[in-house]
Amino acid sequence: DAGVIQSPRHEVTEMGQEVTLRCKPISGHNSLFWYRQTMMRGLELLIYFNNNVPIDDSGMPEDRFSAKMPNASFSTLKIQPSEPRDSAVYFCASSLVTAPTGELFFGEGSRLTVL
Amino acid sequence: AQSVAQPEDQVNVAEGNPLTVKCTYSVSGNPYLFWYVQYPNRGLQFLLKYITGDNLVKGSYGFEAEFNKSQTSFHLKKPSALVSDSALYFCAVRVLYNQGGKLIFGQGTELSVKP
Repeated sequence: DAGVIQSPRHEVTEMGQEVTLRCKPISGHNSLFWYRQTMMRGLELLIYFNNNVPIDDSGMPEDRFSAKMPNASFSTLKIQPSEPRDSAVYFCASSLVTAPTGELFFGEGSRLTVL
Repeated sequence: AQSVAQPEDQVNVAEGNPLTVKCTYSVSGNPYLFWYVQYPNRGLQFLLKYITGDNLVKGSYGFEAEFNKSQTSFHLKKPSALVSDSALYFCAVRVLYNQGGKLIFGQGTELSVKP
């Protein structure tokens, strides 16, 4: 059974460039989460979707960040323009809305380095 | 606001000795508590959760956690540590919405098990 799939696993880009991170949740899961992990701030929730609809985007740092979920099997997190302080590991996770006390399943992460 | 705290950045244990990784929580209402483990360059893996019922919860890889309502704690334990248990451990609380809910993580504790 495939887990949460993220791409790319590693991305190195220059300041000012657009970055797009991709996520495919576990089939049948209808909640999707984007988290960011840094040494300084730990794990932060950026945005959370239920049934493809954004529920909580209070963690999105600023307008340079945007996330979409056009269908139940795909989501993107875009940073435009990117800055060195955006360097982090970005995780996608999924779960079932109908199991609110259930665990989240995480992908392997996308490590972003902005030079 | 719902939150969890992990008071120790690092825990060092000798192989074969018992280990404890501490977590305290602050929630309104019923606490839904989780432990995750992260190995280097990997995503987070679910270990165990407390939703209701027995205060001692058993999980993967021989780990268990004790829920203590009076002390608002949810410490992770293992009777005999293995070198392979060395990893980053996260405590989390699930914040529920009308549908589903998000996970809020503690800052993480680095567990080092020496032979």
